[in-house]
Amino acid sequence: GEDVEQSLFLSVREGDSSVINCTYTDSSSTYLYWYKQEPGAGLQLLTYIFSNMDMKQDQRLTVLLNKKDKHLSLRIADTQTGDSAIYFCAESRPLYNFNKFYFGSGTKLNVKP
Amino acid sequence: GAGVSQSPSNKVTEKGKDVELRCDPISGHTALYWYRQSLGQGLEFLIYFQGNSAPDKSGLPSDRFSAERTGGSVSTLTIQRTQQEDSAVYLCASSLRRGTQETQYFGPGTRLLVL
Repeated sequence: GEDVEQSLFLSVREGDSSVINCTYTDSSSTYLYWYKQEPGAGLQLLTYIFSNMDMKQDQRLTVLLNKKDKHLSLRIADTQTGDSAIYFCAESRPLYNFNKFYFGSGTKLNVKP
Repeated sequence: GAGVSQSPSNKVTEKGKDVELRCDPISGHTALYWYRQSLGQGLEFLIYFQGNSAPDKSGLPSDRFSAERTGGSVSTLTIQRTQQEDSAVYLCASSLRRGTQETQYFGPGTRLLVL
């Protein structure tokens, strides 16, 4: 919604790296987030990055942000079958005295053994 | 509790009936959000609470939808005269702000099916 876009599906083999991409349009975004949703569950925060950073690494996860192109990516190294889920990117934009969050439609990651 | 809880986890109702969905946020979180997730879709913002007040209700789809929050804690989302297009997962999130950074923590959702 509100111009946060993601590809719908990604399929990788176990042990390979996965790269999930996201584009957004609003330059006022302050933070960008990646969430994971497993079947029947709510969204679980994986990581976030401040908008003036280029990269953030957290164990197997690497977030890259190209602010000029408004492009965000999530790389999962050594992808496991347990990583199969839907991944949502989100941005927060300041609105009056609170933050409004905009989510993409989610990328379904399928990890084949 | 340790996380955001929602009840019921599943609700099946008949068209035209009213339903009430409940959200218990993480203790101490002043901000609370409701979202709707339709099958295969992203999250649609419904309403935001800061304490007991709702500065942004812009996402509520119609006047059949209302929400309240009491004591700066529990929130209820009420859908009156439910329609089949209301079938979706309703997600609640609470958050804590530190400066400009705000992290939302989501509940497991209520799956609503309107027959």
